[in-house]
This record gives sequence, C-alpha cells and structure tokens, in this order.
Amino acid sequence: GIQVEQSPPDLILQEGANSTLRCNFSDSVNNLQWFHQNPWGQLINLFYIPSGTKQNGRLSATTVATERYSLLYISSSQTTDSGVYFCAVEKGGSNYKLTFGKGTLLTVNP
Amino acid sequence: DAGVTQSPTHLIKTRGQHVTLRCSPISGHKSVSWYQQVLGQGPQFIFQYYEKEERGRGNFPDRFSARQFPNYSSELNVNALLLGDSALYLCASSLSRSFGTEAFFGQGTRLTVV
Repeated sequence: GIQVEQSPPDLILQEGANSTLRCNFSDSVNNLQWFHQNPWGQLINLFYIPSGTKQNGRLSATTVATERYSLLYISSSQTTDSGVYFCAVEKGGSNYKLTFGKGTLLTVNP
Repeated sequence: DAGVTQSPTHLIKTRGQHVTLRCSPISGHKSVSWYQQVLGQGPQFIFQYYEKEERGRGNFPDRFSARQFPNYSSELNVNALLLGDSALYLCASSLSRSFGTEAFFGQGTRLTVV
C-alpha cells in the first residue's frame, strides 16, 4: 500500500516562532488532507489539498503532487497550536480510504 | 449544521464482550468510514460504507463488522473483545465515495478493554 512519512516526529517551539511540517508519500494521490488532533482526540480539518497552495490565517499548505510531498506552514505559533498534526492521503485508484502518517507532535511553549 | 456525531464518547468493556459503536454523518453525506487509532499512531482504516453497502475493508479480523442504515448512520460492531482492541474509534463522513472527496471526522469513541 501507499506509504506516508511525516517529519519531524516531534517539534518544540517558543510562542511566536514559525514552523514547517513535511509529508512525503510514495504514490500518486487523489486526496491529501492535513488534520490537527485536539487533546480530546477529534481530528480537525485544516486543509484539503491534493495539489497547489492554500492559506487560512496563520496556516498555509502546499502540495507538489508530481514530487509526492506536502508542506504545512505554521506562522507566529500560539500555545493553542500544540497537538498532533496528521497528513492523510487517498491513493489514486483506491477511492475509499485515507492512509495516515504517524503524525508530528507539536509543542508550543509560552 | 451538526458535524459527525459518535456515541458513546467513552466505553469500558471486559475481554470477550461485544461492543457497538454508533455514528451519524453530516447531513447529506452518504459515505461513512471507520478508523481505529491506537496510542501514538495514526488512524488505521477499518471499513467504508456507501449507500448501505460495504465498499472497502482494511486489514482487520472478522470480529469487526459494520453496517449502514437507510438514513446513512452507521454502527461498528466488535465481537470477542481483546485487550488490543483498546483504542480511539473514529468515524468519518464524506459526500460520496468519488475520487478525492474530503472527509470529516467525529470526536471518536474511546474504548478501553479490561
């Protein structure tokens, strides 16, 4: 099956710092989503971005499908940004499931 | 509009018992998928249902089963519970099963097997 690798696995920042999270995937994809998992376990949709660039406030994401990677940028980080960030992809031709990476645990200190 | 709702939020069961988890998708969404997330890992795909039929199944034993009802809500059933079934169970809904449809997740059911 498709492989999804996220890096770094852990990231510790001071409030106000910027960060870049990376997601590499091993095959062509129909769908790529970034999620933030809150402390209660819910996956919050950040971006639906199979290709191109999107921005939402302090967050932005870029997916280069031909090179099989996606980046999530967090600017001016806040303590509320802490949590686990997941990248999930849907392999081309298997339009029924998302394959998740292992996530990046982000800790933002005040 | 209500998002994806799951019940119960927490559950404690004994080994060997059976459990039923429930999910209501976003209004208008016809596809429901189930995922299992164990501590420290990303969610793993269990099932997808669309129009009341199983459309995909992950690498899980036959103890796991599911169904989808005419109103598109869904149940996940697990028989003969094992300690290793302790996990967060997530339900996702999407508009259809077409290529590249965005998925939205519920808050999950945290199952503890003792």
